[in-house]
Amino acid sequence: DTAVSQTPKYLVTQMGNDKSIKCEQNLGHDTMYWYKQDSKKFLKIMFSYNNKELIINETVPNRFSPKSPDKAHLNLHINSLELGDSAVYFCASSQEYINEKLFFGSGTQLSVL
Amino acid sequence: AQKITQTQPGMFVQEKEAVTLDCTYDTSDPSYGLFWYKQPSSGEMIFLIYQGSYDQQNATEGRYSLNFQKARKSANLVISASQLGDSAMYFCAMREASGTYKYIFGTGTRLKVLA
Repeated sequence: DTAVSQTPKYLVTQMGNDKSIKCEQNLGHDTMYWYKQDSKKFLKIMFSYNNKELIINETVPNRFSPKSPDKAHLNLHINSLELGDSAVYFCASSQEYINEKLFFGSGTQLSVL
Repeated sequence: AQKITQTQPGMFVQEKEAVTLDCTYDTSDPSYGLFWYKQPSSGEMIFLIYQGSYDQQNATEGRYSLNFQKARKSANLVISASQLGDSAMYFCAMREASGTYKYIFGTGTRLKVLA
């Protein structure tokens, strides 16, 4: 059983399109995250939800909108895609205790043409 | 504010040798956790080892150990007996006890193990 699963694994699309990435975790964790990994491999947090409530919203363009229908799911919708949005997007989850590791999904490689 | 610094963009090590990957951090929170992750070329993020700020002993997990020097705010990863499969990106991360459960990551170190 995959602990954190995200789909699709690859996403190739044209500039200006709208796309979504879905994420589900079966670990019973309260907190879920979206991270963006750019071409230089830098991992930057975008959003975090705790029990369906948004708790972290970094300086991300408002074209990016996360949605958490329940604490096991956190989806990412991106409007009007731009070339600079090309990156790997990782979903992750954890419990809130300090020693709890972050569990990552396998990543979604987004390529905007 | 939380900050993680990895100053080695790339490292080489001979197979079967030990290697140390550097990580320094900055935080004003007395309670925090430090993590190391490995990202092979296949792209997945693999958890390696954890060190808590109040832990008295340095963490060890198999061939991985963490050289934790709290006063210097460093948490270096030591990989012993390097194997070709250790070639990957390595990320140091930190999580503070207070605030928003956020994990922040360093810029990573690319390790290449030479045969």
